[in-house]
Amino acid sequence: GENVEQHPSTLSVQEGDSAVIKCTYSDSASNYFPWYKQELGKRPQLIIDIRSNVGEKKDQRIAVTLNKTAKHFSLHITETQPEDSAVYFCAAPLYGNNRLAFGKGNQVVVIP
Amino acid sequence: SAVISQKPSRDICQRGTSLTIQCQVDSQVTMMFWYRQQPGQSLTLIATANQGSEATYESGFVIDKFPISRPNLTFSTLTVSNMSPEDSSIYLCSVVTSGELFFGEGSRLTVL
Repeated sequence: GENVEQHPSTLSVQEGDSAVIKCTYSDSASNYFPWYKQELGKRPQLIIDIRSNVGEKKDQRIAVTLNKTAKHFSLHITETQPEDSAVYFCAAPLYGNNRLAFGKGNQVVVIP
Repeated sequence: SAVISQKPSRDICQRGTSLTIQCQVDSQVTMMFWYRQQPGQSLTLIATANQGSEATYESGFVIDKFPISRPNLTFSTLTVSNMSPEDSSIYLCSVVTSGELFFGEGSRLTVL
């Protein structure tokens, strides 16, 4: 099955700076990589995802990059704002289907 | 994305009792899953709720402890049986629509 790891566990950034979170996975057959944002007391929300046929995807201030050779993908948040403070989870498919295995999460703190 | 409603949103339960969580989706979905999120932890897949047949459980989860029903394509229940304090968690229903996984608001259970 898939093993997903995230680094760093906690990241503090100054407002306006960029934040980058990296996720590694183990199954080379995986082809779908989402990122979820979870604010305190709320459900995880899908914020961006990427499939293995592309190397990068952007949506306003967030982007995801994928390196299939190295088996890692990263979340990039530019011009961070206080509302970006949350726990971010990466995920990858278990056994190549819609069941997802999640990383342990990264706590991102944006300092005003 | 689908609208996913869970009941109860939270409950306090006594040790040794059982509680059933309901998940209702506003549209028919093929793939439905139950996840657990222990305090401060990541999301762990409990099982896939299969319509018209027995659920498929992940390693470490068994039907006697977490019986699941899926009578149709819009509804599922998860029962947490013979609860202990270690079962205190958020239980999340999730569905796949358009190839993406979305979560319900979760049911926060506290076992005393």
